[in-house]
Amino acid sequence: GNSVTQMEGPVTLSEEAFLTINCTYTATGYPSLFWYVQYPGEGLQLLLKATKADDKGSNKGFEATYRKETTSFHLEKGSVQVSDSAVYFCALRSYGDYKLSFGAGTTVTVRA
Amino acid sequence: DVKVTQSSRYLVKRTGEKVFLECVQDMDHENMFWYRQDPGLGLRLIYFSYDVKMKEKGDIPEGYSVSREKKERFSLILESASTNQTSMYLCASGQGHTEAFFGQGTRLTVV
Repeated sequence: GNSVTQMEGPVTLSEEAFLTINCTYTATGYPSLFWYVQYPGEGLQLLLKATKADDKGSNKGFEATYRKETTSFHLEKGSVQVSDSAVYFCALRSYGDYKLSFGAGTTVTVRA
Repeated sequence: DVKVTQSSRYLVKRTGEKVFLECVQDMDHENMFWYRQDPGLGLRLIYFSYDVKMKEKGDIPEGYSVSREKKERFSLILESASTNQTSMYLCASGQGHTEAFFGQGTRLTVV
């Protein structure tokens, strides 16, 4: 079956630091990959996505590249802000499957 | 913008009560989902529906049922609430094999 493994948190950073959250997956076929973000007290919002190998998703300064050879989709941001404090979820959907499979989530706290 | 609306943000119920969580989406999506979110466990799928009156069990359906009488509405039912069902419940909708859009969540406490 499908599974998603994220680096464990929590992660605490200073403003303007570089952020990386590792995500690897196991899936049948060629899944679509997603990063969602959950700000305190809110539901999940789609941050970025990639649907095929070597695609790069980007949004709000965040980037992630679909690496089929390493089955990875690591999230990066070059200079974080306090407002980036949130929980980040990596997720996948296999072709022909309705549902998303999620990682456990990584809590990121950015200090001023 | 897609809007997925859950009927309550916070809910407190007693053990043994029948609990209804309601979710409405306004984008005519075929697929709707109920997840529960617990610390350290991420999101786990309870049930999903790919059409009106159609439903399939997810990973943790025990103790739950669902109803989808209209395309825009997907209800999660806790037949007899128990304390281990205290959790954050998230509804989502989507079309085809693209991303899902989430509601704001319902934090349910069973006492």
